Amino acid sequence: SYELTQPPSVSVSPGQTASITCSGDKLGDKHACWYQQKPGQSPVLVIYQDSKRPSGIPERFSGSNSGNTATLTISGTQAMDEADYYCQAWDSSIVVFGGGTKLTVL
Amino acid sequence: EVQLVESGGGLVQPGGSLKLSCAASGFIFSGSAMHWVRQASGKGLEWVGRIRSKANSYATAYAASVKGRFTISRDDSKNTAYLQMNSLKTEDTAVYYCTRRFSGSYYFDYWGQGTLVTVSS
Repeated sequence: SYELTQPPSVSVSPGQTASITCSGDKLGDKHACWYQQKPGQSPVLVIYQDSKRPSGIPERFSGSNSGNTATLTISGTQAMDEADYYCQAWDSSIVVFGGGTKLTVL
Repeated sequence: EVQLVESGGGLVQPGGSLKLSCAASGFIFSGSAMHWVRQASGKGLEWVGRIRSKANSYATAYAASVKGRFTISRDDSKNTAYLQMNSLKTEDTAVYYCTRRFSGSYYFDYWGQGTLVTVSS
């Protein structure tokens, strides 16, 4: 079965750039997206089709996807960005999520 | 405004059954594929399954962990999707979300608030 691998945690200082990776076999051939989830809340889409931002998502969120790795980048990270982040892709008719990355802003 | 509202969660004994509902509003429900995703406490997101639209023959697909035990259905006249869960196991304990796949895309643009299912004796 297809798997997506994320680092369990990433730490970043306020104002710095955070990068969260998501690895999967030939992931670059698929469409990757990213969700943000804060405690007690439902996931929110922050990046779709590898690098597009939904309406209302700040410009500091960006994405890329090539080879076996998709990357979510948060520039000028703010305290409000502290959350869990999940990558997601489709493998045939099956939806696959990464294990999630806890982003800590300190 | 798009809304997805899950209901039907609760406490059930191992081996029991439960049926969740997802009431949708604010978009053309009949044309949308609907998915269920779950999340155990402190754990990550796990895809459960989906049902496509009438135009796609209401085709269903399921994660291996629930195949044969869970069934997804829909009633387009009521703008509601369902998740019938049978032969429940303790490891099925989770918050269950319904979510909409944006038409023709590979992402979920709207999520419900989730409903908690607890499988315990």
